[in-house]
Amino acid sequence: QQQVKQSPQSLIVQKGGISIINCAYENTAFDYFPWYQQFPGKGPALLIAIRPDVSEKKEGRFTISFNKSAKQFSLHIMDSQPGDSATYFCAAWPEPENSGGSNYKLTFGKGTLLTVNP
Amino acid sequence: EAGVTQFPSHSVIEKGQTVTLRCDPISGHDNLYWYRRVMGKEIKFLLHFVKESKQDESGMPNNRFLAERTGGTYSTLKVQPAELEDSGVYFCASSQEGPYEQYFGPGTRLTVT
Repeated sequence: QQQVKQSPQSLIVQKGGISIINCAYENTAFDYFPWYQQFPGKGPALLIAIRPDVSEKKEGRFTISFNKSAKQFSLHIMDSQPGDSATYFCAAWPEPENSGGSNYKLTFGKGTLLTVNP
Repeated sequence: EAGVTQFPSHSVIEKGQTVTLRCDPISGHDNLYWYRRVMGKEIKFLLHFVKESKQDESGMPNNRFLAERTGGTYSTLKVQPAELEDSGVYFCASSQEGPYEQYFGPGTRLTVT
């Protein structure tokens, strides 16, 4: 079963537009929600993260909106640029199932391939 | 500051062969993680080291996978014997304290034919 569901799978946006990627989760044990950005040939890079005690966090053109009651969070990219074209992953921590280990693992969504056309 | 490095960047092997992937974490990061992404799927956790000790192996698929972290520095992930379903991109990540701010390497793309 997928713990974090991400949509859409792919997204095409015109330069200057707003890109919106959504994630939903089931288990309320999640306490930390990072977004990662991955360019081709590179590893995922932490972009922005939020804790459930706030409803929004903004860093430059990137904003996370968090809806605790709906168990949803989303990434908004304002004034999208061709250089933002990448795969974006949402993630959550900690994983609800207790494996008996350290439980430092991040649980990821499947990713969204964003293309920003010039 | 150097980031997480991984070697090789690509590996193509035949079913039944052995492959060893290497990860060098960011200097000073005690926590080291291995993740894997099969094409089109989510990035999935494999295991977690703190220094040289395995803290969580819950994501390791089976006993064909063996991870080590020598002296708490670099780590290796060996797959022996490799199967077709082992194909994917293997990422290594490290963090200084706790699970937050995990820095990922560029990954090793493993193709088993």
